Amino acid sequence: DAGITQSPRHKVTETGTPVTLRCHQTENHRYMYWYRQDPGHGLRLIHYSYGVKDTDKGEVSDGYSVSRSKTEDFLLTLESATSSQTSVYFCAISESVGPNQPQHFGDGTRLSIL
Amino acid sequence: AQSVAQPEDQVNVAEGNPLTVKCTYSVSGNPYLFWYVQYPNRGLQFLLKYITGDNLVKGSYGFEAEFNKSQTSFHLKKPSALVSDSALYFCAVEAWGNNRLAFGKGNQVVVIP
Repeated sequence: DAGITQSPRHKVTETGTPVTLRCHQTENHRYMYWYRQDPGHGLRLIHYSYGVKDTDKGEVSDGYSVSRSKTEDFLLTLESATSSQTSVYFCAISESVGPNQPQHFGDGTRLSIL
Repeated sequence: AQSVAQPEDQVNVAEGNPLTVKCTYSVSGNPYLFWYVQYPNRGLQFLLKYITGDNLVKGSYGFEAEFNKSQTSFHLKKPSALVSDSALYFCAVEAWGNNRLAFGKGNQVVVIP
């Protein structure tokens, strides 16, 4: 398995609180991604990073921000969590872009917002 | 924009029988196509991909997929299903050059002993 660690693995919090999820990789890959997985929707891209301090929005970026201050860490922040952000969040990494470098996924963070 | 349709929510198959999981896609230009598998409480694992060339692609664990450009399909197949193949399967498409994957909603495969 690719060296990807997501923390925490589970979190329960209340509406309106800030939440930060961490993705840590040991592969020195340039590209990192955050997805959310919801029943009936598959995986949807939230944000991605193509290098240190280089990030861009995905298709469901509203209410989320990201930061990448070093190659190995990619943080996802919910500034003020809402119940609609209850989901399973996955981090993925890839060495480069293009189909010859498939994305590899972490084991996910299950986030419940009450 | 690219998109993927996986029309069946769940696929039930008896152990030893052929398994097929259906996927159709929509994309501008040439597609890159992928299949991933997800086991409970785990992330997605890459199974196989189609970039160009032979329409039949072979991947991990005995799986293969057939690309059909005229039908815009990329169905996943396995000749003889195992109970351990029970999992959630995702098809994904990437439009050439845009570096983003669009996933289908997933198909739950249940292999019955």
